[in-house]
Amino acid sequence: DAGVIQSPRHEVTEMGQEVTLRCKPISGHNSLFWYRQTMMRGLELLIYFNNNVPIDDSGMPEDRFSAKMPNASFSTLKIQPSEPRDSAVYFCASSLPWTGSNEQFFGPGTRLTVL
Amino acid sequence: AQSVTQLDSQVPVFEEAPVELRCNYSSSVSVYLFWYVQYPNQGLQLLLKYLSGSTLVKGINGFEAEFNKSQTSFHLRKPSVHISDTAEYFCAVKNQGGKLIFGQGTELSVKP
Repeated sequence: DAGVIQSPRHEVTEMGQEVTLRCKPISGHNSLFWYRQTMMRGLELLIYFNNNVPIDDSGMPEDRFSAKMPNASFSTLKIQPSEPRDSAVYFCASSLPWTGSNEQFFGPGTRLTVL
Repeated sequence: AQSVTQLDSQVPVFEEAPVELRCNYSSSVSVYLFWYVQYPNQGLQLLLKYLSGSTLVKGINGFEAEFNKSQTSFHLRKPSVHISDTAEYFCAVKNQGGKLIFGQGTELSVKP
């Protein structure tokens, strides 16, 4: 299995632009998670899905952030408009059902720089 | 609410020395405990996990951790570290129906 796939790996954009991050979970996993990692705040859970349905988006920082999962093999995290404080590494992870002891498998991350 | 505290933000150690990375958690219910490792510019990778049973858990790369319920701790240990163990290590806690909560991470730096 290829593992969790994220694209792009690096993104540099200017303030005010729209940014879309993409994730393909491991086949057969029905839970998907988006995290953000910064030096100041560490790893933060932004949102997670179970069977393509958002379960908890309380970690999404503001309305500029949105996430979708149109099918079991694809998810997007969109920032519109982007701001310099959004600069971070964004990770996608997937797992078997999120309840219970199932471990999460992480993608390599997307390093976002907003100028 | 659950929380995880990693007591050391940075741990420098010489190659072949033993190391312990400390983790304490708070939770009012039974939990599952995890240690993840993050190598530079990579995602997180599971080292080991405690679900139930034996309190001593062995993981990959020679690491092990001991679950101590009375002290609410899950410290990670390795008897002899290598340069290649240089990475950031995250402790995480989860209960049956909850989210995975991560600690702030411990940066392990192994020097020759």
